[in-house]
Amino acid sequence: QSALTQPASVSGSPGQSITISCTGTSSDVGAYNSVSWYQQYPGTAPKLIIYEVTARPSGVSSRFSGSKSGNTASLTISGLQAEDEADYYCTSYSTFNTVIFGGGTKLTVL
Amino acid sequence: QVQLVQSGAEVKEPGSSVRVSCKPSVGTFSYYFVNWVRQAPGQGLEWVGRINPPRSIANYGQNFQGRVTISADRAMRTVYMQLGSLRSEDTAVYYCARGDRISGTLGYSYYMDVWGKGTTVTVSS
Repeated sequence: QSALTQPASVSGSPGQSITISCTGTSSDVGAYNSVSWYQQYPGTAPKLIIYEVTARPSGVSSRFSGSKSGNTASLTISGLQAEDEADYYCTSYSTFNTVIFGGGTKLTVL
Repeated sequence: QVQLVQSGAEVKEPGSSVRVSCKPSVGTFSYYFVNWVRQAPGQGLEWVGRINPPRSIANYGQNFQGRVTISADRAMRTVYMQLGSLRSEDTAVYYCARGDRISGTLGYSYYMDVWGKGTTVTVSS
């Protein structure tokens, strides 16, 4: 199993929208309704921000949204804010009851 | 909101094994999976494996097969991850994370909604 593919870094200015892609295969992203996204600040544990491809946990800003087409999932952050600067990871359920992570994307707010 | 409480930092010699524990602040793991995820210094997140405590069924990541064992006590109040044949590359922060699942009309969904603060494991001679 290879890691899901994410861009190493993305950047945007406050108020703009950015999208982070997460590409897998027909055995993981394409096979299940099971993409989730996590936000991680340095030195802290990851936090769930999107699950079931598009759902947001209670308390997560509506500026975060998820989508999926085929083997590629995406996380969009609209109205970018300085506090959004963090690392973002996607995951998917995969074959043999396993979970696979993306390599992570560092978001820089300019 | 439940929190996951992990055991303290460990320093181990190469070739030895380490066991890290994870407990919920309230209740048990009766209705959830428990995952272990690690993060080496400056690196991304890597799934180690998970356990379904009521059934004591564990699944492991390909990179850890044969070297890791995830178990739960009978009361389902503590989950353990034991990693053996330690090498320097195993130096990392190990997180436990509660796993939940949805079987809906669009298919199966699995996610990790509550995370521990992490346990630092250092492998050094």
